[in-house]
Amino acid sequence: DGGITQSPKYLFRKEGQNVTLSCEQNLNHDAMYWYRQDPGQGLRLIYYSQIVNDFQKGDIAEGYSVSREKKESFPLTVTSAQKNPTAFYLCASSKWGQGVGTGELFFGEGSRLTVL
Amino acid sequence: GENVEQHPSTLSVQEGDSAVIKCTYSDSASNYFPWYKQELGKRPQLIIDIRSNVGEKKDQRIAVTLNKTAKHFSLHITETQPEDSAVYFCAAREGNNRLAFGKGNQVVVIP
Repeated sequence: DGGITQSPKYLFRKEGQNVTLSCEQNLNHDAMYWYRQDPGQGLRLIYYSQIVNDFQKGDIAEGYSVSREKKESFPLTVTSAQKNPTAFYLCASSKWGQGVGTGELFFGEGSRLTVL
Repeated sequence: GENVEQHPSTLSVQEGDSAVIKCTYSDSASNYFPWYKQELGKRPQLIIDIRSNVGEKKDQRIAVTLNKTAKHFSLHITETQPEDSAVYFCAAREGNNRLAFGKGNQVVVIP
């Protein structure tokens, strides 16, 4: 069953701790993305990657880090430097890597992070 | 960068009526405009898209129209049904090929 899988679905973290959200896809897509969704704020781009071992900052990259060591995987680390990390995080992938947004985005089911 | 705005933020319609959501964009170089639907507790999914060389596109009960001169595009849903209740996001592909999303419209279909 092809798709994009995020884990964990729910995560709680204490202030000052880093946390890593997993995103795996078996769609053979080149491009992968991380979005943050807050009520009334839409989808804001954190980081994106068009090919393995390369990634670019999105609009709200501060306090986040990513890696793209494998085509299938694009983990997101929310660091203690992120001032307001409580949010719903969505990972997505798309078929074309030449240009971000040239193809349909396939989203994961999301990870809800709560900082206590 | 591209700025995409959606209006209205919330829309309530009686079942069977039509719903129209309008988005405006700022970058005249944008050339691709998708619409995503997110049902409660689910992931966003593409429902329709339009490229800048086309003025209108239809798919069953949904359609999208594009006015490049005015820099706005609209989603039209006819004969609304309860399963159309969701948040709808419009987006525009910027000149650097990134997708800029609007903040979303909550559509409520009243049975």
